Amino acid sequence: DVKVTQSSRYLVKRTGEKVFLECVQDMDHENMFWYRQDPGLGLRLIYFSYDVKMKEKGDIPEGYSVSREKKERFSLILESASTNQTSMYLCASSFSPRDTNYGYTFGSGTRLTVV
Amino acid sequence: AQSVTQPDIHITVSEGASLELRCNYSYGATPYLFWYVQSPGQGLQLLLKYFSGDTLVQGIKGFEAEFKRSQSSFNLRKPSVHWSDAAEYFCAVGMEYGNKLVFGAGTILRVKS
Repeated sequence: DVKVTQSSRYLVKRTGEKVFLECVQDMDHENMFWYRQDPGLGLRLIYFSYDVKMKEKGDIPEGYSVSREKKERFSLILESASTNQTSMYLCASSFSPRDTNYGYTFGSGTRLTVV
Repeated sequence: AQSVTQPDIHITVSEGASLELRCNYSYGATPYLFWYVQSPGQGLQLLLKYFSGDTLVQGIKGFEAEFKRSQSSFNLRKPSVHWSDAAEYFCAVGMEYGNKLVFGAGTILRVKS
């Protein structure tokens, strides 16, 4: 089975800190995604990447950056954490849509609290 | 642009009763359609998907969904709900020449005994 692993289940950080959320997948997926999930707002796409060193902004990229130096790893960076970035962060990966196994596989999520 | 509507924010059903969760999408061509389930504090798990072919698809945990092109719908069904089915359910739509899925806002299912 495909596995997507997020490095932390729970994180508590202080306002202004630089925060790194790590995601690793083990099935050679081309695409990787970062979402945040907030009650009543559903899943909102922050950034995604369709290849190593490639990235594209999603719907809410402000305050975030990403890094994909290796195919299996996609990092989300909060440059200066703020309280409004307190949220559940979900990483996902997938093959391209032209693959018969297309579909996202999600990690278990990281619940980040910024105090 | 693609969009997905899940009209019901919350649904409550009795254990053993049948279930139907609604999903409508907006997309010009034949979409790729998915249903995911999320238990509290967890990531999303794929229940089933439709790409082409038979419009009735079977998934895990006894769920099925039917693609109706004329209604732009992909409703999720289960004949008999178990208490462990209580969770949040997300419908999603993708397309052949794009890398992103668009998710609905989710439907929270409560199961009463």
